[in-house]
Amino acid sequence: DAGITQSPRHKVTETGTPVTLRCHQTENHRYMYWYRQDPGHGLRLIHYSYGVKDTDKGEVSDGYSVSRSKTEDFLLTLESATSSQTSVYFCAISGRETGESYNEQFFGPGTRLTVL
Amino acid sequence: AQSVAQPEDQVNVAEGNPLTVKCTYSVSGNPYLFWYVQYPNRGLQFLLKYITGDNLVKGSYGFEAEFNKSQTSFHLKKPSALVSDSALYFCAVRDKLFSGGYNKLIFGAGTRLAVHP
Repeated sequence: DAGITQSPRHKVTETGTPVTLRCHQTENHRYMYWYRQDPGHGLRLIHYSYGVKDTDKGEVSDGYSVSRSKTEDFLLTLESATSSQTSVYFCAISGRETGESYNEQFFGPGTRLTVL
Repeated sequence: AQSVAQPEDQVNVAEGNPLTVKCTYSVSGNPYLFWYVQYPNRGLQFLLKYITGDNLVKGSYGFEAEFNKSQTSFHLKKPSALVSDSALYFCAVRDKLFSGGYNKLIFGAGTRLAVHP
């Protein structure tokens, strides 16, 4: 999976609790992304990062925040988890070199989150 | 806005037969198109991409895709299907290019391919 790890791989939590998912890469890619995958929706972008401390919202960002304090780590936080956030979450990376504008994204193994 | 559509939720094919997984796109400007495969309990794996050049793009595991500008399609194909090709396949298009080279991908809903022995 292209030097990308996600932790935890599985998590069950209760409504209202905060949850943080971690993505770690060893590829020195500039761009990092968080997606959620739900049946019938494919993958939808939650947040992305275009450098250390540089992040922006995707199409389904409500209820999520992110942080990137160093190149290799991108954290996704659910401030107060809801049942609608039960999903499989994927991290992706791209762009090892500045200026690569059309290279593909590489995906981590995913985190299955269940909010009861 | 850019978009992709995968008109079939599932495709069934017998092992050894050719397979096609369909994708159509809608973009302004030149399309940058991708195919990914997802095996059970795994992340997405890149198969191939079309940026420019030959309309027939060859990728991993014997897959290829045909870009057709007039039909705005980018169908995934394989001459002889294997049972091990059974998986979920996603088509994606680059949304737009941001300053600094960042690219955002828009994914289709996915097509489940089932190859029967």
